[in-house]
Amino acid sequence: AQSVTQLDSQVPVFEEAPVELRCNYSSSVSVYLFWYVQYPNQGLQLLLKYLSGSTLVESINGFEAEFNKSQTSFHLRKPSVHISDTAEYFCAVSPLAGGTSYGKLTFGQGTILTVHP
Amino acid sequence: EAGVAQSPRYKIIEKRQSVAFWCNPISGHATLYWYQQILGQGPKLLIQFQNNGVVDDSQLPKDRFSAERLKGVDSTLKIQPAKLEDSAVYLCASKAFLRTPAPEQFFGPGTRLTVL
Repeated sequence: AQSVTQLDSQVPVFEEAPVELRCNYSSSVSVYLFWYVQYPNQGLQLLLKYLSGSTLVESINGFEAEFNKSQTSFHLRKPSVHISDTAEYFCAVSPLAGGTSYGKLTFGQGTILTVHP
Repeated sequence: EAGVAQSPRYKIIEKRQSVAFWCNPISGHATLYWYQQILGQGPKLLIQFQNNGVVDDSQLPKDRFSAERLKGVDSTLKIQPAKLEDSAVYLCASKAFLRTPAPEQFFGPGTRLTVL
């Protein structure tokens, strides 16, 4: 079984400031790791994913996340945020193997990022 | 490519009434998921279909919830009778195959259910 803990329920920041959204996970098997973003009244959109290879992954809009296996973490960072980044962010894991469990997502409780002008 | 479609977007009912939600996944996607997202929490998987067969319904409250995907394409999720604690956003997601190298799920906009 897997579990995901997002350490901050809300993160307020000013525009152009850096931000880090923290995510820790627990799993007895190897996992894929994801960050999804949810804008108000919309569904979840995949922001970035770690499957294998380089532990640092990047999205097209400037976010990055680093997989740290020893600390079982997958924190999300952005060096300079914009007003449009205001949204709720979810960290999720999925087991690499396990028959029908493959691809099954376990989500954290979410972090609301609010960017102030 | 059209995304995952869901309807209705919003629904308000009284407790003990019935309600149904509809989902049309991305064309060709064999795997379909229904999630329940309660305010302040992450989505929780209710049921997973592979084509028209149920793969995992271990978290579905079967005394009141049911779901079907008869032709392996669109799906309906029903609650009968609804309780106050069923107030949530119900998300549908789809994925191309049960086993692919990259197991991304694609989500619909969700149906926000309010039970009074």
